[in-house]
Formats: sequence, structure tokens, C-alpha cells
Amino acid sequence: AQKVTQAQTEISVVEKEDVTLDCVYETRDTTYYLFWYKQPPSGELVFLIRRNSFDEQNEISGRYSWNFQKSTSSFNFTITASQVVDSAVYFCALTPRHSGGSNYKLTFGKGTLLTVNP
Amino acid sequence: KAGVTQTPRYLIKTRGQQVTLSCSPISGHRSVSWYQQTPGQGLQFLFEYFSETQRNKGNFPGRFSGRQFSNSRSEMNVSTLELGDSALYLCASSRLARDTEAFFGQGTRLTVV
Repeated sequence: AQKVTQAQTEISVVEKEDVTLDCVYETRDTTYYLFWYKQPPSGELVFLIRRNSFDEQNEISGRYSWNFQKSTSSFNFTITASQVVDSAVYFCALTPRHSGGSNYKLTFGKGTLLTVNP
Repeated sequence: KAGVTQTPRYLIKTRGQQVTLSCSPISGHRSVSWYQQTPGQGLQFLFEYFSETQRNKGNFPGRFSGRQFSNSRSEMNVSTLELGDSALYLCASSRLARDTEAFFGQGTRLTVV
């Protein structure tokens, strides 16, 4: 069974602060994908990043960065210099990487509501 | 490039009725997955279709069913609606290949009264 835990239910920061969203996962699969999605009030899940289990390189995309540590089963997400537009619910998710292709059976965390105040 | 389109956006049904939700994937995408989002249970996988075949199914009762058409459009059906079926139903599409991501629609907000 797979499990994704986002211990932070809500985070509130002031604009320009850095904020880190935590994600811890459990899986018995040896290969898997990890994801982060953003859900604004409109409801659509917006894809942010996908990481293969065998690729532990950290990644930076503009103000966003991700720290994947397989040893601690964590995939944390940091927003640098947060902006009001970053306010949303952020979900971490996990899916096994089967040999047959990208069969998406995502297991999601409960999400973290990030509020960035001006 | 058009995104994933879900219709209708909002729906109100009475307990005991049935409902059909529709999802049109991104052009060229052949895999469609459905998720239910509720405040209590969060986002839960319902099922995935590829080439008109169900490939994966989540832990939902048989009242939840789906299908996929030859043009990759998908529908999900919920029969004998219960109050607990009130949720945001999200559809995601992807190409069936390695190293691709799933793109989500805006969802259908179903309210059962």
C-alpha cells in the first residue's frame, strides 16, 4: 500500500518570505514517480513537477525548488520569495512506475493550504 | 492547445438518482483517470481507462462505473446517489508512454441533496 503524508495542514506567510512544504511517502515499489500539484480556488490541479525515484537530483525552477531524499522518503517543496498568487492548496502525490507505461494511479497527500498575505 | 474539459461544471442531484459526468481529454491523449475529492477523504483514485479498457480501479463500490469511447472521451456514472457522493470529481488525461505527466480538468462539483 502507498501512503503520502503532508503534516502541515495550513501555512500562512507574509509576502516575500520563503516557505517549505513537507511531504513524506511510503511505498513498497522500487520504482515510482513523485509529484507536486497546485490547486487554486478554481479547482483545477496544476502540475508542478514529477520526479523519478531513481533521480535524486534536486531541482530548481524559478522561485520553486524541490528536495528529494530517498533515504528519508521525503520530497519537500520550497517557494522562495513567496507571492500572493502562490496562495493555493498544494498536493504531493505518488504513483508506481510499472513497466507497462505511465498508468496513473496517484496516491495524494491531504494537501497543505498555503496563504500568502500581502 | 485545449486542456481537459469536464462537463458539467456543477450538478445538483437528489439522493437515489444517478448521474453521468463527462471528460474530454487533451487531443492525442489516450489515458483518462478519474478522482474524487472530498474534504474528509481528500483526493482518491476512482479508475483509469486506456483504449476503451479499464486498466486500474480504486476502492469504490460498484455504484461507480465508467467507460471510454473510441475518441478517448470518458464518462463516469454514479448510480443510486448517496449524500456522501457529494464531491469534486476530477478527470486527468495523459499519453500512455513513459515519463509523461497527467493534466487535470477543472472538475465537476456534484452536490447530492
